[in-house]
Amino acid sequence: GAVVSQHPSWVICKSGTSVKIECRSLDFQATTMFWYRQFPKQSLMLMATSNEGSKATYEQGVEKDKFLINHASLTLSTLTVTSAHPEDSSFYICSAAKGGARGYEQYFGPGTRLTVT
Amino acid sequence: QQQVKQSPQSLIVQKGGISIINCAYENTAFDYFPWYQQFPGKGPALLIAIRPDVSEKKEGRFTISFNKSAKQFSLHIMDSQPGDSATYFCAPYSSASKIIFGSGTRLSIRP
Repeated sequence: GAVVSQHPSWVICKSGTSVKIECRSLDFQATTMFWYRQFPKQSLMLMATSNEGSKATYEQGVEKDKFLINHASLTLSTLTVTSAHPEDSSFYICSAAKGGARGYEQYFGPGTRLTVT
Repeated sequence: QQQVKQSPQSLIVQKGGISIINCAYENTAFDYFPWYQQFPGKGPALLIAIRPDVSEKKEGRFTISFNKSAKQFSLHIMDSQPGDSATYFCAPYSSASKIIFGSGTRLSIRP
């Protein structure tokens, strides 16, 4: 199989605080991981592409200083939302591509629901 | 060049019927054509995908039809079941392009 986990599954934080979301590929190595954001009843919007051992590539309009991404190993990528504000409340989803598959055959995590009060 | 258009936005099908969802794209460099299924509150899951060297791929009740000249591909769900009720996304891709998901189709199967 190809299982991707995310932790936490949901989190509530106060405005101005930081939140870290972990994404792990449990049974395969992922050179490339992706982070998406999804608002209610909308599609997935790619935020950034994360490659193990290198800096993430952010999509246009995504603040790299606000959404810090670290891909320290072939099985773990983290997204830290810094100085969170209510408008950052969303469903954050990561995905991982097996080996060198890049964007092909992505396996998605279950998502993390972030609510900023 | 990167636009992906998915239709319909929502679809209601009777149990046992055929559900058809379409995806049109502009980038001729795409070489991977997947459909993802997403249930409420969950991450998407790869349902079925096709490469451009074939025109059709079938996996159980799910079929992808691919029309390269029309730059379209579609998902057909045969004998639709209530458990198929979900949101479906297309996301054509190539390693030289950015990932763009279609707008999604909310499918409801009436018992």
